[in-house]
Amino acid sequence: GAGVSQSPSNKVTEKGKDVELRCDPISGHTALYWYRQSLGQGLEFLIYFQGNSAPDKSGLPSDRFSAERTGGSVSTLTIQRTQQEDSAVYLCASSLAEAARGDTIYFGEGSWLTVV
Amino acid sequence: GNSVTQMEGPVTLSEEAFLTINCTYTATGYPSLFWYVQYPGEGLQLLLKATKADDKGSNKGFEATYRKETTSFHLEKGSVQVSDSAVYFCALKSGGYQKVTFGTGTKLQVIP
Repeated sequence: GAGVSQSPSNKVTEKGKDVELRCDPISGHTALYWYRQSLGQGLEFLIYFQGNSAPDKSGLPSDRFSAERTGGSVSTLTIQRTQQEDSAVYLCASSLAEAARGDTIYFGEGSWLTVV
Repeated sequence: GNSVTQMEGPVTLSEEAFLTINCTYTATGYPSLFWYVQYPGEGLQLLLKATKADDKGSNKGFEATYRKETTSFHLEKGSVQVSDSAVYFCALKSGGYQKVTFGTGTKLQVIP
């Protein structure tokens, strides 16, 4: 597609429920990132996928968080047993292959998650 | 590990004032440096970038110069407009390891 597409754009869920957030990267982009932006906070790295390499999961805050990327394209971020502190904007981004250090990463508009 | 430190906000300026938002970094290897901007109600977008020392990135009247000796990438604009009100993020990406590290963001408010 023309840009990084995320869905849903807004999600309100009850504490304890599971949620899935979806990201469609730009066609041809092999690198995909998930970040979290909490109210008044900066960008918190969650996970990074690059081609067929093992993902960098070092930013996932707990084992309730997981992500997968199927077929090297679409990615799903899953949060199990949501807590109120999970409320944030979840941003997905993609970029071209890692060979070029200066590649721009392109962000989606984010999925606003509110846990009540 | 890599890290980015940028000046605390919010920054409030009058229209046509000079803007500087400081950004310093620590990185392994030789990073590429970026400024991203987030306008109210919109997603993050690239403002400018520089990939090697002494490079100057520029866009929309904003400039930043990659200073390896001071590990800095300060954002400047000579005359800000109300439409520049946004949150600005400094970021880096190290060669060979493509995770992008962001600063905490600096909110700029320009008043008429």
